[in-house]
Amino acid sequence: NAGVTQTPKFRVLKTGQSMTLLCAQDMNHEYMYWYRQDPGMGLRLIHYSVGEGTTAKGEVPDGYNVSRLKKQNFLLGLESAAPSQTSVYFCASEQRPWFEQFFGPGTRLTVL
Amino acid sequence: AQKVTQAQTEISVVEKEDVTLDCVYETRDTTYYLFWYKQPPSGELVFLIRRNSFDEQNEISGRYSWNFQKSTSSFNFTITASQVVDSAVYFCALSVPANTGGFKTIFGAGTRLFVKA
Repeated sequence: NAGVTQTPKFRVLKTGQSMTLLCAQDMNHEYMYWYRQDPGMGLRLIHYSVGEGTTAKGEVPDGYNVSRLKKQNFLLGLESAAPSQTSVYFCASEQRPWFEQFFGPGTRLTVL
Repeated sequence: AQKVTQAQTEISVVEKEDVTLDCVYETRDTTYYLFWYKQPPSGELVFLIRRNSFDEQNEISGRYSWNFQKSTSSFNFTITASQVVDSAVYFCALSVPANTGGFKTIFGAGTRLFVKA
């Protein structure tokens, strides 16, 4: 039982490049989330999903897209990376609304 | 709009001291949940406690205790007899219904706790 895993752990991009972050969970959770963590700002919700095939915007969705084609996977895409997207990205999953969220180890992304 | 304020950016204590981390929240929702998460230096986020808006009972778990007061919109976290392993960033979070029919979780900025030996 791996819990929530994230791929990759680290990545450096140049401005304008694209990439996809993969989040996988093996707990059969319906709800999944993508957050970014910046110094002094806590975690901010980018997008979330309440089930397979569904996605919704969070607090800071601009510049990101997501997909939830399979229940266990939640992908976060950056189409044209910008230095403002340098951050640590956390994925989380949740069994039901308002239960505790289980977090992945994070992906540290640097955009030059 | 909903908001979570953790006014203490950093706290430094000596081992065995008691320390309280403050959390003040804002919401007009009558149904909501409050959480505390711990982020040790290794970086992962660990769930500590969940409390719903209808349950104001304080809770104690070992050296940890939580004080929920709706009258002051506060959900404070106390560590008794702190230890070096308690050094971490602690986040308070609020979950409320979202306009989309789903829900959303708002995190505070976090309080970094240093416990010195």
